Amino acid sequence: GDSVTQMEGPVTLSEEAFLTINCTYTATGYPSLFWYVQYPGEGLQLLLKATKADDKGSNKGFEATYRKETTSFHLEKGSVQVSDSAVYFCALSAHDRGSTLGRLYFGRGTQLTVWP
Amino acid sequence: DGGITQSPKYLFRKEGQNVTLSCEQNLNHDAMYWYRQDPGQGLRLIYYSQIVNDFQKGDIAEGYSVSREKKESFPLTVTSAQKNPTAFYLCASKAGGFTDTQYFGPGTRLTVL
Repeated sequence: GDSVTQMEGPVTLSEEAFLTINCTYTATGYPSLFWYVQYPGEGLQLLLKATKADDKGSNKGFEATYRKETTSFHLEKGSVQVSDSAVYFCALSAHDRGSTLGRLYFGRGTQLTVWP
Repeated sequence: DGGITQSPKYLFRKEGQNVTLSCEQNLNHDAMYWYRQDPGQGLRLIYYSQIVNDFQKGDIAEGYSVSREKKESFPLTVTSAQKNPTAFYLCASKAGGFTDTQYFGPGTRLTVL
């Protein structure tokens, strides 16, 4: 079945360091891929998405490229800030067999802590 | 402002009691979803609904029930049959058609004592 595997955390970085959080997926068909971010005690916010192979999603300095050949969607940021401290979730969209209603499959989340 | 509201933010119940979590959206979205979040587990799908009076079980529906009597509302009842109900519950919605981006509410933290 469809699934997402993402890098386990926690990840701890100093401010201005480079960030990579790995995400790989298994899917039938051609899913859209997402990164969501969750700040403490809050719901999830969409960070970026990509809908087809070779698309690059970007937002707030974060980027991820949809790589069909490696089934990956790694999240990167060139220079992290303390305010980026949060939990990051990779997800893919899919339709269960016989259903026209889409759903998301999530990875387990990666906790990022950035120190000043 | 359009969005998704969940109430209350914190909820405490005694073991054996049913409890209903509220989810309301004014985004005019067709589809609504309930997820459960536990530490280190990611989000797991409980129930989802495409239209009024129709809903489908997700991956962990046992011990939960839902209704969809209005487009903007999708309440979740955690029944006494749910063995480990203490968790963070998130509601989400998305527009109809081929749109696949879901938007989330702020969540309700349920603690069963």
